[in-house]
Amino acid sequence: DGGITQSPKYLFRKEGQNVTLSCEQNLNHDAMYWYRQDPGQGLRLIYYSQIVNDFQKGDIAEGYSVSREKKESFPLTVTSAQKNPTAFYLCASSIGTGISYEQYFGPGTRLTVT
Amino acid sequence: QKEVEQNSGPLSVPEGAIASLNCTYSDRGSQSFFWYRQYSGKSPELIMFIYSNGDKEDGRFTAQLNKASQYVSLLIRDSQPSDSATYLCAVDTGVSASKIIFGSGTRLSIRP
Repeated sequence: DGGITQSPKYLFRKEGQNVTLSCEQNLNHDAMYWYRQDPGQGLRLIYYSQIVNDFQKGDIAEGYSVSREKKESFPLTVTSAQKNPTAFYLCASSIGTGISYEQYFGPGTRLTVT
Repeated sequence: QKEVEQNSGPLSVPEGAIASLNCTYSDRGSQSFFWYRQYSGKSPELIMFIYSNGDKEDGRFTAQLNKASQYVSLLIRDSQPSDSATYLCAVDTGVSASKIIFGSGTRLSIRP
């Protein structure tokens, strides 16, 4: 089955700790994305990558970092510099980078930082 | 700043009726328009996309696009309780490839 996997589903961390969220896809998609969703809000773009070894900041990149060493993988690190990290994190991918390509989402990781 | 606006709802529709969800966008250069359904606690699921003015039908769903007025709508015919969810409208930025902007969503409730 092709799809996008994110792990873990729930993650709990203490304030001041860095944490890495996993995202893997076997759809052979070129582009991958990370979004953050807060309660009652839409999705806000953190980072995106159109090709291996290249990525761009989204609208709320501060306090986050990513890497794209393999086409299939796009991990997100939430650093201690992120002021309000508790949120629902969604990874997505799309077949290409044209403006007409729809994005498909993984199941999400719910991060709670206390 | 590019924006996508949706009425947050909740929109309450009786079972079997037509649910109409609306979305407006600010960037006249936008070319691609998407509707996602999101159940509580779950990730968004793509249900429709539309690129050309007019209507696009897929089963009980119809997407309508009017670029001159900068709005896109989603009609759900014969609404079912399983249609109760939040519906997110998403629009490409019109400038940068790959980036789309999401509205905050409309919560739809189908009452039996």
